[in-house]
Amino acid sequence: KQEVTQIPAALSVPEGENLVLNCSFTDSAIYNLQWFRQDPGKGLTSLLLIQSSQREQTSGRLNASLDKSSGRSTLYIAASQPGDSATYLCAVVEGNNDMRFGAGTRLTVKP
Amino acid sequence: NAGVTQTPKFRILKIGQSMTLQCTQDMNHNYMYWYRQDPGMGLKLIYYSVGAGITDKGEVPNGYNVSRSTTEDFPLRLELAAPSQTSVYFCASSDSSPYEQYFGPGTRLTVT
Repeated sequence: KQEVTQIPAALSVPEGENLVLNCSFTDSAIYNLQWFRQDPGKGLTSLLLIQSSQREQTSGRLNASLDKSSGRSTLYIAASQPGDSATYLCAVVEGNNDMRFGAGTRLTVKP
Repeated sequence: NAGVTQTPKFRILKIGQSMTLQCTQDMNHNYMYWYRQDPGMGLKLIYYSVGAGITDKGEVPNGYNVSRSTTEDFPLRLELAAPSQTSVYFCASSDSSPYEQYFGPGTRLTVT
């Protein structure tokens, strides 16, 4: 059974710092990996999707990498801003279209 | 495009009552999904559908039923509500490969 783990569970950084969020998964036979942002009391917003054949994707200040063989993905946020404060979730999609989520990393960026 | 919409936003049910959570998408996506999110946890898949008339169970289907009569709508029915079903419910949809999922705003359900 696929298990997705995100470490740390919470992270607090000063504004302007570069940071990395980690996601690991136990079964490397994934179809894709998706990073989401969730604001308190809100739904999920898709940030980046990496297909299994890709190594990384970039959008603005965000860069996500994927290493299937080691079962790891990282989300890099450059020059963090208070508006980046949210919970970040990673999820993997397996061949049967089943999406498995991590519990998330709650990020606080202090002004 | 409104994307994925869900109604109601909030609901309180008594134990044993039933209700239907509505989900509609206007992106002509074939794939639709229902998840639940418990406090401090990731989302867990309840049911999904790959097209009108086709549904399948996810990780936590017990106590729920779904139907998919149109491409746009994917309602989730709770029969005999139990306190363990207190959660936030999210509906999502995706096109075919690479299956990028788009989420609705959620329904917060409390069963007392």
